[in-house]
Amino acid sequence: DADVTQTPRNRITKTGKRIMLECSQTKGHDRMYWYRQDPGLGLRLIYYSFDVKDINKGEISDGYSVSRQAQAKFSLSLESAIPNQTALYFCATSDRTGSTQYFGPGTRLTVL
Amino acid sequence: EDQVTQSPEALRLQEGESSSLNCSYTVSGLRGLFWYRQDPGKGPEFLFTLYSAGEEKEKERLKATLTKKESFLHITAPKPEDSATYLCAVRDGGSNYKLTFGKGTLLTVNP
Repeated sequence: DADVTQTPRNRITKTGKRIMLECSQTKGHDRMYWYRQDPGLGLRLIYYSFDVKDINKGEISDGYSVSRQAQAKFSLSLESAIPNQTALYFCATSDRTGSTQYFGPGTRLTVL
Repeated sequence: EDQVTQSPEALRLQEGESSSLNCSYTVSGLRGLFWYRQDPGKGPEFLFTLYSAGEEKEKERLKATLTKKESFLHITAPKPEDSATYLCAVRDGGSNYKLTFGKGTLLTVNP
C-alpha cells in the first residue's frame, strides 16, 4: 500500500463550489504539506503543518484553507473554487528534521 | 530569495546515449539539494539528497553530484523506462521545511 494517499484522484467542479481534497499517510511523519503544480511554474507550497496544532500558510495560500484532523490526515479546501485553481495538487510528508519530503500521487482538479 | 534553474527544459536521447541534466541554484546556506523523478500524472518520487559540495550519490543508471553552485544528474546508458521529468529542489539554511523547486527537465529516451 502507498505511504501517502490522496482522494479524489480526479475532480471536475464548477466555479463557486466548495471542494475538499484529502490526504492520509502511514509513514508516521509529523509534518505534512500541500502543493500545487502548474505547467511551467513548478511546485508551489500552499500550506504546511508541523503537527496537529501547528498550521502555517505557504507562498500561495489565498483562496485555500486546511484542516489537520490527526497526525495522519491533512485536508485542503477550496471554499469557492475558481478556474485559475485548476491544477495538480500534491500532498507531501516529512519527519521532524524536514530533510526529505515524500509525495502522494496527486489530485487533478479542474474548475469550469 | 532562493532560486533554482534547471536545464535543459527538455532532452531527447537514444537508448544507451549517456548525458547530464543541470540544476543551478542560488541559496543562502544550502541545507540540502534534492532530486525527484516525476512520471506523467503522478507524484514526485524521491531519488537523492546531497548536502555538501563534492558529494555524490548513485542509484542504478543515475548519479547525482553537487558543487557550490550547481548539481548534475548523470544518466548512464539510459533506457526508455528512464523517461520522466526530473525535478531539483533546494532547502536553505534559514528554513527547516521550505523547498524551492525548479521547473524540471523532461527526459525522453527513445528505443
